Amino acid sequence: RKEVEQDPGPFNVPEGATVAFNCTYSNSASQSFFWYRQDCRKEPKLLMSVYSSGNEDGRFTAQLNRASQYISLLIRDSKLSDSATYLCVVFHSGNTPLVFGKGTRLSVIA
Amino acid sequence: GAGVSQSPSNKVTEKGKDVELRCDPISGHTALYWYRQRLGQGLEFLIYFQGNSAPDKSGLPSDRFSAERTGESVSTLTIQRTQQEDSAVYLCASSRDTYGYTFGSGTRLTVV
Repeated sequence: RKEVEQDPGPFNVPEGATVAFNCTYSNSASQSFFWYRQDCRKEPKLLMSVYSSGNEDGRFTAQLNRASQYISLLIRDSKLSDSATYLCVVFHSGNTPLVFGKGTRLSVIA
Repeated sequence: GAGVSQSPSNKVTEKGKDVELRCDPISGHTALYWYRQRLGQGLEFLIYFQGNSAPDKSGLPSDRFSAERTGESVSTLTIQRTQQEDSAVYLCASSRDTYGYTFGSGTRLTVV
């Protein structure tokens, strides 16, 4: 079982749609969780952290379910500029590197 | 500098040749990471430096791969006797704390 699993997509949605991405992780001791965004042929950039109580940043909402080892990202009112690959990222503990999922590709269509 | 700087941005090399990739982290960032991303794939961890501690080399795919870092400054990733499967984008990231990563724009390596 991979450490971080995501549906690769692609998700093709019209502008204005709401879209949700899911991610599962295998290490129950994982401490911190993030969503990164990667544009085509660019480096990944931090989109948002994911907190246990859930958190929102504008049109983006992240949720964490520790019992199910499941993370989600909801994007409301999709924009063309949201088209990118969204990476689910997990931090285990101590001096360990971040573990990246393979990403979910989103295309927002006019 | 303001960001993580990687050079070269693109490198084409012949199979069997050695290559050296460079990463200049953000000043003050004690941690430095190398990842590899093959076309259409996710990020694959290679090696991690944290201050003066011994590096975590657990992700290096073979003994043809090695990396060095001098103190908290520049790091070089060396690939010896390159193979076609080494073709990928090599991404470097640095962080001040455990997980606030900033990535460089990567080195795109093509082995022909």
